[in-house]
Amino acid sequence: AQSVAQPEDQVNVAEGNPLTVKCTYSVSGNPYLFWYVQYPNRGLQFLLKYITGDNLVKGSYGFEAEFNKSQTSFHLKKPSALVSDSALYFCAVVVSGSSNTGKLIFGQGTTLQVKP
Amino acid sequence: DVKVTQSSRYLVKRTGEKVFLECVQDMDHENMFWYRQDPGLGLRLIYFSYDVKMKEKGDIPEGYSVSREKKERFSLILESASTNQTSMYLCASSRPGQGSYEQYFGPGTRLTVT
Repeated sequence: AQSVAQPEDQVNVAEGNPLTVKCTYSVSGNPYLFWYVQYPNRGLQFLLKYITGDNLVKGSYGFEAEFNKSQTSFHLKKPSALVSDSALYFCAVVVSGSSNTGKLIFGQGTTLQVKP
Repeated sequence: DVKVTQSSRYLVKRTGEKVFLECVQDMDHENMFWYRQDPGLGLRLIYFSYDVKMKEKGDIPEGYSVSREKKERFSLILESASTNQTSMYLCASSRPGQGSYEQYFGPGTRLTVT
């Protein structure tokens, strides 16, 4: 079965330190991977995606993610965290065989807490 | 910028009521989606639509129906609201095709059924 796992419910990091939010996936075929961010009482905002090409993809707000095919992972990273990065982060993958509809499977979400 | 709007940010309904949640997108997207979001469960797909009058069930369609009479509008209907349908409901839209796929989300409707 296809799935996305975010193994940490919460990640705590001090402002200015690097952050990593982990994501692993299980799909058949080539994965199309996404990260979204949700601020309190808001909808999801697209951060970045991996479709093909460079394994390191850069996105909004200084975030980047590294696609690792052998480890089936797509971890979200930022070199220097800001308090304003505190939010709920979702990893998602396109369901195999749904290239036309673009159905996504989402992980359960990871709360990022950046402390001053 | 893509804009997806939802008719209400907060809604309180009684058990047994029929509830309509409306979603409108302004980017001429073919695909539209309804999700519910619950803590620890992420987003779960209720229904999606890939064209006007076309719809498919998602992972948790029970107790819900949808309507898409116009391309820009996708409605979620709770036929007889129950307390276990208390949740955050998110609408999204996307354009199909290779290299695309990202979904654009509305602000969400927090529904409480009492």
